Amino acid sequence: EVQLAESGGNLVQPGGSLRLSCAASGFTFSSYSMNWVRQAPGKGLEWVSDISSGGTTASYADSVKGRFTISRDNAKNSLFLQMNSLRDEDTAVYYCARGGFGSGSYYLDIWGQGTLVTVSS
Amino acid sequence: DIQMTQSPSSLSASVGDRVTITCRASQSISAYLNWYQQKPGKAPKLLIFAAYSLQSGVPSRFSGSRSGTDFTLTISNLQPEDFATYYCQQGYNIPRTFGHGTKVEI
Repeated sequence: EVQLAESGGNLVQPGGSLRLSCAASGFTFSSYSMNWVRQAPGKGLEWVSDISSGGTTASYADSVKGRFTISRDNAKNSLFLQMNSLRDEDTAVYYCARGGFGSGSYYLDIWGQGTLVTVSS
Repeated sequence: DIQMTQSPSSLSASVGDRVTITCRASQSISAYLNWYQQKPGKAPKLLIFAAYSLQSGVPSRFSGSRSGTDFTLTISNLQPEDFATYYCQQGYNIPRTFGHGTKVEI
């Protein structure tokens, strides 16, 4: 079964750091780009970052650029998000999602269950 | 950045109804528009990609269409399990922006 499972969410103080992980199974992880998408409590979806299949190219939303770093370990079928200088507004459920192309459109077809990050003093 | 404007933000419907949700892109995105369904406490689920194509396993009562930069998700014969929040997402470029969502409730 194709699956993604996030971990690492926690309560952290403003200015602190946290590292999220996403374990993939059931598909050839190294063949797909991967994404992080977040959802603040009661709010909509916000794309955060993506990384190419080989890990050589990464992109970020302006809201996290310079503070968050996406990475992956294809040998361990794992995706990561290093979050530094955390702010209250980073409080959200963070989802990892597999990327793909269909008829030219980039979509997110497999999602994890999410991990909650709470930034609060 | 491409802005995605979804309407309405919420709607009330009954089982068996035909429901239409609209998403407008702030610039041309060709047909690179995807739709997702999210139920409370769950991860989003891909329904339709590239404006028209039904994701594998998604019931045929879901359909998508496009007119220029306006996109529509239609649910025919609404079922109890369809009460959820629906999001559009442009698959054209980075950042991969989402609409603000449409909550379909009873």
